[in-house]
Amino acid sequence: QKEVEQDPGPLSVPEGAIVSLNCTYSNSAFQYFMWYRQYSRKGPELLMYTYSSGNKEDGRFTAQVDKSSKYISLFIRDSQPSDSATYLCAMSGDGWGKLQFGAGTQVVVTP
Amino acid sequence: NAGVTQTPKFQVLKTGQSMTLQCAQDMNHNSMYWYRQDPGMGLRLIYYSASEGTTDKGEVPNGYNVSRLNKREFSLRLESAAPSQTSVYFCASSPGGGGDTEAFFGQGTRLTVV
Repeated sequence: QKEVEQDPGPLSVPEGAIVSLNCTYSNSAFQYFMWYRQYSRKGPELLMYTYSSGNKEDGRFTAQVDKSSKYISLFIRDSQPSDSATYLCAMSGDGWGKLQFGAGTQVVVTP
Repeated sequence: NAGVTQTPKFQVLKTGQSMTLQCAQDMNHNSMYWYRQDPGMGLRLIYYSASEGTTDKGEVPNGYNVSRLNKREFSLRLESAAPSQTSVYFCASSPGGGGDTEAFFGQGTRLTVV
């Protein structure tokens, strides 16, 4: 069983809709929770991060962490075609680079 | 502003051949990492170097060796390539230590072993 589970999609939504992404995990030692965005044939880039539990908002993006349920979410409001990418959740117990990644969810936003 | 630079971008190897993937960062980071990305598997950590002069195994180290040449450069070597090592390889770096923050990734090396 993988430590981090993520539905690979694809997830297709119309422009302007809310995109909802989530991951579950099994390791209770995870403290750093991140969402990376990866465009086709590019490297991942950090989108949002949260330390421990709680919510974080940055523009159209909201990240939520529920450590009691071992569940993290990313919401994208007013989605745009430029948001079409693969979104990877990642987490770590002891730092920002030694990460456990989910499989990634491919998101397609159609005009 | 280069960030993390990987070479080569593409490579095709025959089974049993060896090669070295190069990675260099210009952000004065202490920590560097090698990941592989396979369909449906996400990224998996192969090796990492917390600081210059140290290296440690990650989740999937078998068949690989690494060298932290200096603070800027971290190379990944395949001594005898196998088809199972066909993957996209990403190098990353982060500040490391008590002030560790975001890890930055390179653009990847697409390796095919035939």
